[in-house]
Amino acid sequence: SQTIHQWPATLVQPVGSPLSLECTVEGTSNPNLYWYRQAAGRGLQLLFYSVGIGQISSEVPQNLSASRPQDRQFILSSKKLLLSDSGFYLCAWSEGADARETQYFGPGTRLLVL
Amino acid sequence: AQKITQTQPGMFVQEKEAVTLDCTYDTSDQSYGLFWYKQPSSGEMIFLIYQGSYDEQNATEGRYSLNFQKARKSANLVISASQLGDSAMYFCAMREGWGGSNYKLTFGKGTLLTVNP
Repeated sequence: SQTIHQWPATLVQPVGSPLSLECTVEGTSNPNLYWYRQAAGRGLQLLFYSVGIGQISSEVPQNLSASRPQDRQFILSSKKLLLSDSGFYLCAWSEGADARETQYFGPGTRLLVL
Repeated sequence: AQKITQTQPGMFVQEKEAVTLDCTYDTSDQSYGLFWYKQPSSGEMIFLIYQGSYDEQNATEGRYSLNFQKARKSANLVISASQLGDSAMYFCAMREGWGGSNYKLTFGKGTLLTVNP
């Protein structure tokens, strides 16, 4: 069965510091991968998605970036964090791009920028 | 205009009773998928049920069923025989288009369900 991991689980960072969040998927190959952000008390917003190694598409322009160095690894980064980057970051995967394909989510990372 | 509307910020239900969580959607696509997710206090988004726009029958998964009314553009989640562990945030989501390059799940703002003993 497929498993998705995210780390760290929680993170407190000062404004202006760098960020690296990691997501890995087990039990599948060539998955579609997604990064979502959830602000407090709100629904999820898609940040990035990837259909293959090195292929990244951005949904929302901001100071975050994403990379996919390996088939089942997806990394969310920032060079300088802003206060507005605080939130709950969720990684997800799906088997394909079809609208019928369910996206399955990881446990998430809670980021607090002070 | 919002693509997914969940009008109930919070709902209360007695244990063992059924509850309906509302969801309306807005799309001009003929092909789309509708999803419900559960988010307990731990934060993980748990997939519950899926309904395709061409599915003629309402989806069911155990105690979860989706009341799909295409003409009204509604996709309400029905939870039967509520349990204390059902207390959580529930999100309705939509993905438009088969294939192509639209990968985005659009989420509603959620409904907080509290199950009382």
